[in-house]
Amino acid sequence: RKEVEQDPGPFNVPEGATVAFNCTYSNSASQSFFWYRQDCRKEPKLLMSVYSSGNEDGRFTAQLNRASQYISLLIRDSKLSDSATYLCVVIGGYQKVTFGTGTKLQVIP
Amino acid sequence: EADIYQTPRYLVIGTGKKITLECSQTMGHDKMYWYQQDPGMELHLIHYSYGVNSTEKGDLSSESTVSRIRTEHFPLTLESARPSHTSQYLCASRPGHLNTGELFFGEGSRLTVL
Repeated sequence: RKEVEQDPGPFNVPEGATVAFNCTYSNSASQSFFWYRQDCRKEPKLLMSVYSSGNEDGRFTAQLNRASQYISLLIRDSKLSDSATYLCVVIGGYQKVTFGTGTKLQVIP
Repeated sequence: EADIYQTPRYLVIGTGKKITLECSQTMGHDKMYWYQQDPGMELHLIHYSYGVNSTEKGDLSSESTVSRIRTEHFPLTLESARPSHTSQYLCASRPGHLNTGELFFGEGSRLTVL
């Protein structure tokens, strides 16, 4: 089993739609959690941190459920520019940073 | 803009050659990482370091080795390249604060082994 798992998609959604991504992690001792975005042939970029209390940044909302070892990302009012691969990231012991398998989003006009 | 540099950006080399991919950062970051990524595929952690003289293997079994003699430098070496090593190699760093998730990536080294 992979340490960090995501539904690979692709998720094809119309502009303006709301889309949700999920991520599960296997190590209960994991310490910090993040969502990254990766555009085609580019390096990943930090999108937002994930906290148990929830974290909102404009159209993006991230949530952590430690008991279920589950992380989510919600994107409201999808834009064409949101098309990318979304990566769940977990930081564990010795500062090991593990990326999830990634979920591809394609927003359609 | 991130001050992390990888060389070479592109390398085409024959089987059996020794390769060193260089990664340097001028931000004073303690933590450094090497990832391997094929086009359209996931990132695999192959090596990481949480400080000078510390190196750890990642999740993906790799025939490469790394060293961390200086904070700013984290080279990756393949003693004998094979076609299966063809991939993109991404180096990244982050500061030492526990909850800081932002990784600063280099532009990558795209390796082709013939």
